[in-house]
Amino acid sequence: AQKITQTQPGMFVQEKEAVTLDCTYDTSDQSYGLFWYKQPSSGEMIFLIYQGSYDEQNATEGRYSLNFQKARKSANLVISASQLGDSAMYFCAMREGGSNDYKLSFGAGTTVTVRA
Amino acid sequence: AAGVIQSPRHLIKEKRETATLKCYPIPRHDTVYWYQQGPGQDPQFLISFYEKMQSDKGSIPDRFSAQQFSDYHSELNMSSLELGDSALYFCASSAAPLGTQYFGPGTRLLVL
Repeated sequence: AQKITQTQPGMFVQEKEAVTLDCTYDTSDQSYGLFWYKQPSSGEMIFLIYQGSYDEQNATEGRYSLNFQKARKSANLVISASQLGDSAMYFCAMREGGSNDYKLSFGAGTTVTVRA
Repeated sequence: AAGVIQSPRHLIKEKRETATLKCYPIPRHDTVYWYQQGPGQDPQFLISFYEKMQSDKGSIPDRFSAQQFSDYHSELNMSSLELGDSALYFCASSAAPLGTQYFGPGTRLLVL
């Protein structure tokens, strides 16, 4: 079963506007972590933001914020004031809480294109 | 700030050849992970090491092996290369097994 689901293959957003990228996850663990990474066309994988399952407040990092709704098992990324440099693929990922489970499971990604 | 270093950045090999990919984690990071990303795909976990011991294993083919050395750098050895091994190979490191994983720039492997 897919652990991370990103239902938006691609999105267009106007420069300076906000965009929300959807991510839902599936786990039976109580302790887990949720991550968002950005992958520009050059290929590198850039860490953006992290949310722990026990964190009571939504994570924020500059223009990035994570809308964490635990009961709905969703962890949507909000990018505010979009810039041309935000055009990239965005991956949602989860690390589950098993003591020997270190890996990240990724969603299929969402391509964001920012228009001037 | 220092980042994860991977070498080489690009590699072209023939079928049935071998390849060695190297990864140098961020200083003081003790956990290393390897991921494979095929064209148009999301990254798939291969293997990880914590304090020089294998800590988790994913869908890594038997033709691949990896290890972490005393200086914490890691190498991914790939033998009997197949066309399907063409992919972007990422190494990531974290300060602890449950820490945030920071990715290197990747090694782009092309098997002809």
